[in-house]
Amino acid sequence: QKEVEQDPGPLSVPEGAIVSLNCTYSNSAFQYFMWYRQYSRKGPELLMYTYSSGNKEDGRFTAQVDKSSKYISLFIRDSQPSDSATYLCAMSSSGGSYIPTFGRGTSLIVHP
Amino acid sequence: DVKVTQSSRYLVKRTGEKVFLECVQDMDHENMFWYRQDPGLGLRLIYFSYDVKMKEKGDIPEGYSVSREKKERFSLILESASTNQTSMYLCAITGDSSYEQYFGPGTRLTVT
Repeated sequence: QKEVEQDPGPLSVPEGAIVSLNCTYSNSAFQYFMWYRQYSRKGPELLMYTYSSGNKEDGRFTAQVDKSSKYISLFIRDSQPSDSATYLCAMSSSGGSYIPTFGRGTSLIVHP
Repeated sequence: DVKVTQSSRYLVKRTGEKVFLECVQDMDHENMFWYRQDPGLGLRLIYFSYDVKMKEKGDIPEGYSVSREKKERFSLILESASTNQTSMYLCAITGDSSYEQYFGPGTRLTVT
């Protein structure tokens, strides 16, 4: 079992839909939870991060962490074609090197 | 804005050639990383460096070496390129908050 599991998709939704992207993990030491967005032929860019449990909102994006279930989510409201990208979750533990463990990424397609 | 640049966006090399991929950052940060990204496998860490002349193996170091002679520059070397090293190579640095990674645009390497 991989430390971080993420469904690769693709996930195809109509413009305006609410999108839910998810990752599960097995390492209870993870404390930092990140979401990266990667457009085609580009490097990933950090979208949001959350420390420990709880929710964090930034515009149309909401990141949610449930440590008891070892489950994290990224919600995108009012999705736009420009949101079409691959979304990678990443997690790291506090202390030590902070080197993140990445999910394999979910491909999202938002069609007009 | 954080700037991480990579020497080439696209590279085509022949089997057995020595290949140099260079990464340059303008953030004066200690930590630099090399990943490869393949469909279905996600991001895999090859090597990382905490400081000048220091290097640590990641998850898949076989067939690769690295060099860090100056703080801003981290080079990935394929001593004798093979077709299974055809991949997207991504350089990253950590930001002020160690959990954040900033990625370069990537180098798509094809070995024929």
